[in-house]
Amino acid sequence: AQSVTQPDIHITVSEGASLELRCNYSYGATPYLFWYVQSPGQGLQLLLKYFSGDTLVQGIKGFEAEFKRSQSSFNLRKPSVHWSDAAEYFCAVGASAAGNKLTFGGGTRVLVKP
Amino acid sequence: GAVVSQHPSWVICKSGTSVKIECRSLDFQATTMFWYRQFPKQSLMLMATSNEGSKATYEQGVEKDKFLINHASLTLSTLTVTSAHPEDSSFYICSASSGAYNEQFFGPGTRLTVL
Repeated sequence: AQSVTQPDIHITVSEGASLELRCNYSYGATPYLFWYVQSPGQGLQLLLKYFSGDTLVQGIKGFEAEFKRSQSSFNLRKPSVHWSDAAEYFCAVGASAAGNKLTFGGGTRVLVKP
Repeated sequence: GAVVSQHPSWVICKSGTSVKIECRSLDFQATTMFWYRQFPKQSLMLMATSNEGSKATYEQGVEKDKFLINHASLTLSTLTVTSAHPEDSSFYICSASSGAYNEQFFGPGTRLTVL
């Protein structure tokens, strides 16, 4: 069965500083990997996704993520954080063998200091 | 494109009543829809998967008689919480997929409060 771990429950970062959110997955084959962002009381917005090909994926809002098979990781990065980036971030893994199901990590809450 | 709506966005009901939540894919045909539950400050937990015209597949521990799911068309799925109790209070989120690359598009969620 697939699983996702987001080791950091909370991260506080100063506005303008860089941000990296960690995601580790467990799956026997090549997974489909996603990062979503959720603002309070809202649904999820897709930031970026990895299916195959280039392991460095560019997303919306200036985010990028790198798939590292050897480390079973898919970390999310942003060079310069804006106050509007304060939200909950979820990493998810999917596999066609699982019938399109997504398994979500526990989430990382990002707080942005002025 | 790929917009998913949910209705209502929030609902308050009395204990023992039933509540229906609608999930619609507005600009694509969703062969599969998913229903998630999210408790405060927690991650999303998949409740069930529904394919159009088929019975929903429920995750372990989810009571199928309590959470009735209907996926009658390629653009509409409904979740009915029957005989709701305060412990059913939660944020319910649906998603829809056309099947391509497992990508799911999420609705804005429905906040259910059972008094």
